[in-house]
Amino acid sequence: DSGVTQTPKHLITATGQRVTLRCSPRSGDLSVYWYQQSLDQGLQFLIQYYNGEERAKGNILERFSAQQFPDLHSELNLSSLELGDSALYFCASSVDLARNTGELFFGEGSRLTVL
Amino acid sequence: DAKTTQPPSMDCAEGRAANLPCNHSTISGNEYVYWYRQIHSQGPQYIIHGLKNNETNEMASLIITEDRKSSTLILPHATLRDTAVYYCIVRPRPHTGTASKLTFGTGTRLQVTL
Repeated sequence: DSGVTQTPKHLITATGQRVTLRCSPRSGDLSVYWYQQSLDQGLQFLIQYYNGEERAKGNILERFSAQQFPDLHSELNLSSLELGDSALYFCASSVDLARNTGELFFGEGSRLTVL
Repeated sequence: DAKTTQPPSMDCAEGRAANLPCNHSTISGNEYVYWYRQIHSQGPQYIIHGLKNNETNEMASLIITEDRKSSTLILPHATLRDTAVYYCIVRPRPHTGTASKLTFGTGTRLQVTL
């Protein structure tokens, strides 16, 4: 158990719909990362937040957005869903202290199926 | 981040040592070598990291060549539960107040067999 909690674990929805994925980082971790893993693309970095602010952005589509709240949990919003958005979405968190090892702790993922 | 090259797949007999190589010939002086693994559809799991000295923990050993252009992850006694995709990643170690993303390549699919 990494200490990172993601909900829901599974989600099935239709094209054109909007979904929200939620991530609770490990206690004390200030950074949250979102990754997408589809069958043909491997693990792709989407976006990173640090203490509520966007820190880095990867190949995240404009239809996708994320935010990190004051309690440090994060949400990834996916809208106008397409079949190709079907994937595993992972959240990770990391420590940001003087002795930061750079290790990321990953949740178990949210599996999104778009029909 | 420096690019890494790993073999796409490897097999290992249970109980034997699994040696997973990684080439990172363009690594720069401030970049660390990290290893993660992903057991089927689970979240990636940190294994070990190092800068230039060999490292060992309860999971594995990391051997980095003197020129730092390649490394080997060693699982001393592989079990069936070690079957996974292993990712070698090179990136700078974050400093206080920062954190940098991990860029995953395609990794090595290790199959441990009876």
